[in-house]
Amino acid sequence: GENVEQHPSTLSVQEGDSAVIKCTYSDSASNYFPWYKQELGKRPQLIIDIRSNVGEKKDQRIAVTLNKTAKHFSLHITETQPEDSAVYFCAAYKYIFGTGTRLKVLA
Amino acid sequence: NAGVTQTPKFQVLKTGQSMTLQCAQDMNHEYMSWYRQDPGMGLRLIHYSVGAGITDQGEVPNGYNVSRSTTEDFPLRLLSAAPSQTSVYFCASSYAPPGSHSNQPQHFGDGTRLSIL
Repeated sequence: GENVEQHPSTLSVQEGDSAVIKCTYSDSASNYFPWYKQELGKRPQLIIDIRSNVGEKKDQRIAVTLNKTAKHFSLHITETQPEDSAVYFCAAYKYIFGTGTRLKVLA
Repeated sequence: NAGVTQTPKFQVLKTGQSMTLQCAQDMNHEYMSWYRQDPGMGLRLIHYSVGAGITDQGEVPNGYNVSRSTTEDFPLRLLSAAPSQTSVYFCASSYAPPGSHSNQPQHFGDGTRLSIL
């Protein structure tokens, strides 16, 4: 069946540094790749998404890159801030989610 | 718009009891889904629906039933609760099903925290 692997499971960075989270997927039919941020006790909320006909998308400090040949996509957060601390999830095809990355931004 | 509304927010059950988790959306979304979230396991898809009258199984469907009689509502039923079903349950909806040309992001409800003793 479909599978989405996400790495790393935890990530600590100093404030102002960049953070990168990577996901790989198995189903070549996947054509939509969203990223969600979940704060403690809250619902997951979309932060950025990308479609298969695009290789990269940016929104201020957040960017997502997609390599369809290799079946992987990545979330890039630049100039990290303490409020970026949360759990981040990727998803692919049929909204199958990765296991999440807990990002800690150290002040 | 209220978005996706889940009730109840918290529930404690005894093993063997049954209950229904309610989910309603007012965005006229065709696609609705249920996830459970356990520590370290991420969000696992239980069941989903691509429209009224159509449902299908996700990754972890055992022990759960769903129905979709209207576009707005997508209840999740636990027929005989087991301690392994202790989890946080999220309902989500989106305009179109995944894989379609009009893919749009899912909107999540606030979740139901379910404990089974």
